[in-house]
Amino acid sequence: EPEVTQTPSHQVTQMGQEVILRCVPISNHLYFYWYRQILGQKVEFLVSFYNNEISEKSEIFDDQFSVERPDGSNFTLKIRSTKLEDSAMYFCASRNRLRRTDTQYFGPGTRLTVL
Amino acid sequence: ELKVEQNPLFLSMQEGKNYTIYCNYSTTSDRLYWYRQDPGKSLESLFVLLSNGAVKQEGRLMASLDTKARLSTLHITAAVHDLSATYFCAVVVTGTASKLTFGTGTRLQVTL
Repeated sequence: EPEVTQTPSHQVTQMGQEVILRCVPISNHLYFYWYRQILGQKVEFLVSFYNNEISEKSEIFDDQFSVERPDGSNFTLKIRSTKLEDSAMYFCASRNRLRRTDTQYFGPGTRLTVL
Repeated sequence: ELKVEQNPLFLSMQEGKNYTIYCNYSTTSDRLYWYRQDPGKSLESLFVLLSNGAVKQEGRLMASLDTKARLSTLHITAAVHDLSATYFCAVVVTGTASKLTFGTGTRLQVTL
């Protein structure tokens, strides 16, 4: 069964450093999302992406964040200058474009630790 | 701003018992999802509910949706230990690009 994959599974970085989190969505999906979950808290929407552009973003997704689909398979989230409060689990999700009501399928997540 | 609240936040129940988790949301939605999350793991889709009165069942779990009350329930029948996990409801606001707004989560612990 196709699944969303994410790398790395765990990333440790120093405050102020740039990180890139990578996702490979399910191959026939064309809507892509990033969410994050701070330890013990609920899952929060960051950004949605379709047709090579951002379709919606949250207040969390400020100028320090960017997303890109550099090729036909990868979908990346970049944080330019990490802060301590960026420490969280980051989930990528994808959805089939053909049906609006389709489920979003989530990847296994990348745990980001900012020291 | 959409608010999605679940209760209870934590539920400890014995095997064999029944219980219901509630999900209230504050604005019009055209679909609601239930996800399961095991500790340290990703989110697994359980149900999608699309219309008023929708009911879906899978094994010991049954989800329903009342769009007029802006309420969804996840009913657990004869709980077993394997159901121990955190359950999230997530709402899509009508007219948005399908972003999910998650509830606070209900951590379910089923004890022997």
